[in-house]
Amino acid sequence: AQTVTQSQPEMSVQEAETVTLSCTYDTSENNYYLFWYKQPPSRQMILVIRQEAYKQQNATENRFSVNFQKAAKSFSLKISDSQLGDTAMYFCAFMKHSSGNTPLVFGKGTRLSVIA
Amino acid sequence: GAGVSQSPSNKVTEKGKDVELRCDPISGHTALYWYRQSLGQGLEFLIYFQGNSAPDKSGLPSDRFSAERTGGSVSTLTIQRTQQEDSAVYLCASRSGTGAYEQYFGPGTRLTVT
Repeated sequence: AQTVTQSQPEMSVQEAETVTLSCTYDTSENNYYLFWYKQPPSRQMILVIRQEAYKQQNATENRFSVNFQKAAKSFSLKISDSQLGDTAMYFCAFMKHSSGNTPLVFGKGTRLSVIA
Repeated sequence: GAGVSQSPSNKVTEKGKDVELRCDPISGHTALYWYRQSLGQGLEFLIYFQGNSAPDKSGLPSDRFSAERTGGSVSTLTIQRTQQEDSAVYLCASRSGTGAYEQYFGPGTRLTVT
């Protein structure tokens, strides 16, 4: 079974600064996907960024980038130029590659507060 | 196009009553997932549908929980004889199933059992 660990229950960052959220995972799979989801108070889970395990290049989406270390099973999220709207719960998630049932396995989440 | 929708947004029910939660996936998405998000438990997988069939029901926490999907579209999660520990946010997600792997989530239903 796969597990995902987010070791930082809460973090805060000043507006316009950079913050990194940590995520480690455990799996025996070689082909899988990793995601970061954002959940604001509205409860809507929003996909922030995704990474295919077979790709060595780290994914980037505007102000969001990841540091994917496959051997270390680490998948951290860096948010640059933090904005007040980035305040939310952030969940790291793992999904194995399969054409069948592929539920997401989530970490416990990190609550990020962006301070003006 | 429209995203995943869920209804009701909030539901308060008395212990022992049955509840039905509804999910409308993105049109054309063949895979549908139900998750539960409760305090202290994080997000846990409940059940998965491919089309109308549910090959894996192992995530359902008890036999009071059941789900169905009709026409390869709308899904209903039913909880019978609700208990206080069923209080949680129930999230639905859909996936295209044609090579795509992203899951798109609905806004969830907050269930409170009093």
